[in-house]
Amino acid sequence: ETGVTQSPTHLIKTRGQQVTLRCSSQSGHNTVSWYQQALGQGPQFIFQYYREEENGRGNFPPRFSGLQFPNYSSELNVNALELDDSALYLCASSAGQVLYKEQFFGPGTRLTVL
Amino acid sequence: SQQGEEDPQALSIQEGENATMNCSYKTSINNLQWYRQNSGRGLVHLILIRSNEREKHSGRLRVTLDTSKKSSSLLITASRAADTASYFCATDARNTGFQKLVFGTGTRLLVSP
Repeated sequence: ETGVTQSPTHLIKTRGQQVTLRCSSQSGHNTVSWYQQALGQGPQFIFQYYREEENGRGNFPPRFSGLQFPNYSSELNVNALELDDSALYLCASSAGQVLYKEQFFGPGTRLTVL
Repeated sequence: SQQGEEDPQALSIQEGENATMNCSYKTSINNLQWYRQNSGRGLVHLILIRSNEREKHSGRLRVTLDTSKKSSSLLITASRAADTASYFCATDARNTGFQKLVFGTGTRLLVSP
C-alpha cells in the first residue's frame, strides 16, 4: 500500500449539494493531483496542487475546486452536485515537479449523487 | 478526454499463460506508465518507461515502447489468479508545464485458476 490516504471511503449526496473530499499525501511528497474515474473508464485529471498553489487544471468546470495545506494534504470541493459527478475520486501524491517520478494513488472516495 | 486506448478491452486467460496488453496514445510524451486497479479501488504503479527507452523489465512484467508508432505493450508472464485486475497505461505529455497523467481506457484481465 502507498502512504496516501483518502476520506471518506464512500459518500452519498443529492443533486445540488456540496461535497468535500480529503487526501493526505505520502510523507515527503509536496504535490497532489486529483482524478475522477467514472464507471468503466480511465481516470481523468481534475487539477494538481504544488506547494499550496494550483499549477495545472484539466477540463473540469469551476465548481470543482481544491486546496492544499502547509502539510501538503489536500481537499477537493465540488459544488452544485450533478448526477454525472457520481464517480470514484482518486488523489495521487508525488515528490515535486520532477519528471520520471511515479504518482502514488490513494484508495479513492466513491461518490454517489442521487 | 482519454489520451489513448488499451487493446483488448477485456482478456481472459488461464493461470500460467502470458497476457499481453497494448496501449496507443496521441501526443508526444516524456514517459509512459502502467498501473493496475483491483475492483474499482486505488491504482497501483507497476512500471515507468521513459520516452528514450524501448524496453523495460520488472519481475514478471515486460514493457515495450515504440514512440514512432505511439504505442506500448505490457506483457505479464506466467500469470496468476492474483493478476486479475484492470490495467491502465498513462502518459505524461510533453510541454504541459506540470506532471499530468492522461490515462487510457483500460484492459480488464481475468486469470482463471
